[in-house]
Amino acid sequence: DTEVTQTPKHLVMGMTNKKSLKCEQHMGHRAMYWYKQKAKKPPELMFVYSYEKLSINESVPSRFSPECPNSSLLNLHLHALQPEDSALYLCASRLDVGGGEQYFGPGTRLTVT
Amino acid sequence: GQQLNQSPQSMFIQEGEDVSMNCTSSSIFNTWLWYKQDPGEGPVLLIALYKAGELTSNGRLTAQFGITRKDSFLNISASIPSDVGIYFCAGNNNAGNMLTFGGGTRLMVKP
Repeated sequence: DTEVTQTPKHLVMGMTNKKSLKCEQHMGHRAMYWYKQKAKKPPELMFVYSYEKLSINESVPSRFSPECPNSSLLNLHLHALQPEDSALYLCASRLDVGGGEQYFGPGTRLTVT
Repeated sequence: GQQLNQSPQSMFIQEGEDVSMNCTSSSIFNTWLWYKQDPGEGPVLLIALYKAGELTSNGRLTAQFGITRKDSFLNISASIPSDVGIYFCAGNNNAGNMLTFGGGTRLMVKP
């Protein structure tokens, strides 16, 4: 089983809303990732969690707030987003940060109005 | 950020034709991964390569890890309409934490 699940599939939110994206994996992976992807572009790394601790923040604006409640779950809390934040948000996981295969979830299509 | 050089950017081929795409880098990578992404979906891992010179197949897909560790190619034989999508290469270096992606190859297959 190499499944990473994400909810919701689609999300429309206003610039004053607060919402959260959720990601889950049950593969025992200890590295989890958030990516942002614009149309026809490769995924751009936002955050890396290693053993439930934030290890990399790629200079992401504070209106994006990640959280790793346990080794299987990863959240991305959204607040006061801008229309340019509209994108496909992808979660991924890997056995360990040291390398190996990285598996992506299906993504959340976010539209900020 | 850094991006691998992936070519071609797009291909429009006839069903049944073979396809080849490649990625090059100025840096050495320890792992090469190839993904396929359908519209509105997440990338799906097709093939992972771990050793320089390694040639790996997965059905109609064949990928190779270049001897210099700075390049990789993906071949698709006898293409079918469901091969349509965007293919991304990704490399992982010694630091390990992050993948570096190619710009993607958009494949279109005419029935």
